[in-house]
Amino acid sequence: QVQLVESGGGVVQPGRSLRLSCAASGFTFSSYGMHWVRQAPGKGLEWVAVISYDGSNKYYADSVKGRFTISRDNSKNTLYLQMNSLRAEDTAVYYCAKVLYGLIPWPYDSSGWDFDYWGQGTLVTVSS
Amino acid sequence: DIQLTQSPSFLSASVGDRVTITCRASQGISSYLAWYQQKPGKAPKLLIYAASTLQSGVPSRFSGSGSGTEFTLTISSLQPEDFATYYCQQLRGFGGGTKVEIK
Repeated sequence: QVQLVESGGGVVQPGRSLRLSCAASGFTFSSYGMHWVRQAPGKGLEWVAVISYDGSNKYYADSVKGRFTISRDNSKNTLYLQMNSLRAEDTAVYYCAKVLYGLIPWPYDSSGWDFDYWGQGTLVTVSS
Repeated sequence: DIQLTQSPSFLSASVGDRVTITCRASQGISSYLAWYQQKPGKAPKLLIYAASTLQSGVPSRFSGSGSGTEFTLTISSLQPEDFATYYCQQLRGFGGGTKVEIK
């Protein structure tokens, strides 16, 4: 069965960095695009970043562009989110999510934005 | 960017009720809309994609309809396990959510 397990969250001071990981299993990871979505405490969902199945294409929300970097290691079935220059407003639960369909060409049309499996989330708290 | 507005933001209903949630887009988005269910402390779950396609394993009491700028999620007979928050999504944008609570 498909499993996505995030790790790496924690408490970090403003301006510092953190790297999140998402370990995938139960499907052919190298065939699927992956996303990060976050949710601030008590708030709604906010899309953060996407990476194509082969890692060659990436796209970011304006709120994190230039500070966050999405990457993947298909040999390790793992997705990453490197978060630099963290701000208080980055405080959230971060979810990794799998795209419904595999081997979708870039740029993504709507089929690249349906998330059929999500991890359990990892909490990032940015506070001094 | 396209804005998605859900209504109502809060809904109180009883088991067995028919429930309808609306999602309005600020401009036409064809049928590119998904619906998710989220329970407290849990990750969202995909219910509907392409506006009306039921995700595998989702009960048939859930249905989606609409195109262009107005979409609906309908639960034909609300069950105890359906009390949750529901979000619509189009590409990188999410609606603000509709919390469905027990009357």
